[in-house]
Amino acid sequence: DGGITQSPKYLFRKEGQNVTLSCEQNLNHDAMYWYRQDPGQGLRLIYYSQIVNDFQKGDIAEGYSVSREKKESFPLTVTSAQKNPTAFYLCASRHTGEETQYFGPGTRLLVL
Amino acid sequence: GQQLNQSPQSMFIQEGEDVSMNCTSSSIFNTWLWYKQDPGEGPVLLIALYKAGELTSNGRLTAQFGITRKDSFLNISASIPSDVGIYFCAGQLITNAGKSTFGDGTTLTVKP
Repeated sequence: DGGITQSPKYLFRKEGQNVTLSCEQNLNHDAMYWYRQDPGQGLRLIYYSQIVNDFQKGDIAEGYSVSREKKESFPLTVTSAQKNPTAFYLCASRHTGEETQYFGPGTRLLVL
Repeated sequence: GQQLNQSPQSMFIQEGEDVSMNCTSSSIFNTWLWYKQDPGEGPVLLIALYKAGELTSNGRLTAQFGITRKDSFLNISASIPSDVGIYFCAGQLITNAGKSTFGDGTTLTVKP
């Protein structure tokens, strides 16, 4: 089946550690996005990529990094510089020329 | 940047009642999208609106693109328990690389 997968569903991190969240899509979408969601708030854009080997910062990029080496994959690294990393992270993808973003199931990151 | 005000923040209703929620923006959008998010999952698209004044239905859901292009509403008729979740509006500009600006969500609770 076509879709977006995120793994793992839950992730625990010790303070000071970097951690990488996976996002894979087999929809042949060019654009991919990473959002952060905190309780009672909407989705805030971290990074986005419109094409392979290119990506741009979103509204809250500090403390995060991404790569887009393959069309299907857009991993997000939460670095130790992110002071408040506990949140629900959502990945999305979109076909060029369409407005709709399709979301993955999310990864909940907890800092111990 | 653009901001969306979504209201109400939460709603507690009885099964069978109708629901109405809306979003307003400080600036215009070319596209309005309405998503539903179940707990611990990614948002799923309910309705997409592409033209000012457009009224679109999807089963018991009806949404409208405001004539000023700065607002949109979503109505749910005859609510059922599975309507429980968080409803998000999102606005898009053609020139904005497919990025969406999200409202903070309306949390809907339906009492049987």
